[in-house]
This record gives sequence, C-alpha cells and structure tokens, in this order.
Amino acid sequence: GIQVEQSPPDLILQEGANSTLRCNFSDSVNNLQWFHQNPWGQLINLFYIPSGTKQNGRLSATTVATERYSLLYISSSQTTDSGVYFCAVSDRGSTLGRLYFGRGTQLTVWP
Amino acid sequence: KAGVTQTPRYLIKTRGQQVTLSCSPISGHRSVSWYQQTPGQGLQFLFEYFSETQRNKGNFPGRFSGRQFSNSRSEMNVSTLELGDSALYLCASSLGEYRERYGYTFGSGTRLTVV
Repeated sequence: GIQVEQSPPDLILQEGANSTLRCNFSDSVNNLQWFHQNPWGQLINLFYIPSGTKQNGRLSATTVATERYSLLYISSSQTTDSGVYFCAVSDRGSTLGRLYFGRGTQLTVWP
Repeated sequence: KAGVTQTPRYLIKTRGQQVTLSCSPISGHRSVSWYQQTPGQGLQFLFEYFSETQRNKGNFPGRFSGRQFSNSRSEMNVSTLELGDSALYLCASSLGEYRERYGYTFGSGTRLTVV
C-alpha cells in the first residue's frame, strides 16, 4: 500500500502564529484529503485536494502531485485549531475505496 | 443535510462478547467504509461497501465483518472480542461510484472499550 508520512509529528504554537504541515506520499494518488480530528474523535474534512491549491479562511492547502507532497497552511492560529491533523490518500491505481492515513501532526495552540 | 451518524457513541464490552456498530451515511451516499483507530496502529482500513457489496477489505481477522443494507446503512460486527479491539471505530461515506472524486465524510465514531 501507499506510504504516507506527515511532519512534524508535534507542533506547539502561540496563538496568532502561522504554521505549515507537510504530507509526503509514496505513489501516485487520485485523492488527497486533509482532516482535523477534534477532541471528541470526529474527523472533520478540511480539504479535498488531489492537486492544486485551495483556501478556506485561515487555512489553505497545496498539493504537488508530481512531486508527491501536500502542504497545509494555518495562519493566525487560534486555540480552537488544536488537535490532530491527518493527511489521507487513495491509490491512483485502484478504483476501490480505501484511504491510507499518515500518523498525523498533533498541534497545540497556547493562548 | 444530516451528516454521517454512528451509533452508539460509547460501548463497554467484556472479552469474548460480540458487538455490532451501526453507521448511517449521508443521504444519497452509496459508499460506506470503516476504519479502526488505535494509539499504536493509527487509522487502519477495515472494509468498504458499495451498493450492498463488500468492495475491499483490510488486513483484519475474520472476527471483523460487516454488511450494507439496501438503504446504504451499514453495520460492522466484531465477534469474540479481545482487549486489543478497544479502539475508536470510524465510518466514512462517499457519494458513489466515483467516490474518489468527492472525498469522504466521517462520522463521530464509536469508542469501544473491551474489559
């Protein structure tokens, strides 16, 4: 299966700071999503971004499929941004529905 | 519209028992997949159903099974529970046959504790 690596594993920020989370994947993909897992365990879909750049408020994401990486940018971070951020991909070679997840980045934002 | 609904939210079972978890996808979504999340193994794929057929299965023992009904609702069953089955079980739904084009929406999960 596809290997997904996320960095950094942990990130501690002061409120108002900016951050960049990275996701590397080992093979061609036809789906890439960024999720935020809230304290209650739910995975909240942030971006569906197999390629290109998208922005949603203070968050934006860029995927460079040919170089097999994606970046998630968080600007002016807030305490509510705390939680675990996951990157997940689907294998381009398969039409079957399976996501491969990275181990996540644990973000802690202090007031 | 309503999101993905998983029931129950929390469950405590004893070793050796069996458990059934339920997932109702977003209305109109025909694909449902299940994931297990543990601190040690992270998020791992269990299986995926599309139009009542299991399309893909992860590397889990036969104690883990599932099914999908004609209304797209899905259930997963774990028999002969072991302590290591304690985990957060997440269900995801997607639009349809071209699900990879639209991404997946997850439910809030069922937290299973085996004692």
